[in-house]
Amino acid sequence: SQTIHQWPATLVQPVGSPLSLECTVEGTSNPNLYWYRQAAGRGLQLLFYSVGIGQISSEVPQNLSASRPQDRQFILSSKKLLLSDSGFYLCAWNQLQGANGELFFGEGSRLTVL
Amino acid sequence: LAKTTQPISMDSYEGQEVNITCSHNNIATNDYITWYQQFPSQGPRFIIQGYKTKVTNEVASLFIPADRKSSTLSLPRVSLSDTAVYYCLVGGENTGFQKLVFGTGTRLLVSP
Repeated sequence: SQTIHQWPATLVQPVGSPLSLECTVEGTSNPNLYWYRQAAGRGLQLLFYSVGIGQISSEVPQNLSASRPQDRQFILSSKKLLLSDSGFYLCAWNQLQGANGELFFGEGSRLTVL
Repeated sequence: LAKTTQPISMDSYEGQEVNITCSHNNIATNDYITWYQQFPSQGPRFIIQGYKTKVTNEVASLFIPADRKSSTLSLPRVSLSDTAVYYCLVGGENTGFQKLVFGTGTRLLVSP
């Protein structure tokens, strides 16, 4: 069966510090991978999606970046965090071909920038 | 991408049927309608998906009229554990499963 894991689960970082969130998927190949962010009490904002290794599409211009060094690994990074980067970050995957596009989410990473 | 509009919040009591309606006036021909449920501090979870008419599974029903410009998620006999945020999304292989956009959703509160 397929599984998705992301870490760390909780992170408290000072403004201006770097960030690295990791996500891995097991049990499937060539998944589409996503990073979403959810501010407190708000809906999910799509940040990045990737349809293959090294292929990253950005939905929101900001100080965040994403990379996909391996087929089932997706990394969210920042060189200098802002207060507005605080939120709940969710990694997700799905398949497009022959599937209904159902998204499967990781456990989430809660980031607090102080 | 088709934009969706849902009520911000709804209140109900245990045992009642809850219907949450979503408007998607610009839905494309190949788009499917998908509903997700999200509990606090968790990722959303797939509930149901449909293209037209009615779809039913073990947890919900989805009603889609002929013009497909709206859809209604029906939760029969809700319990306290159904308190969550419910999201309606539209998309498909051709118009962008890979760009599925979650709106603010509908916050359902079920009381005893």
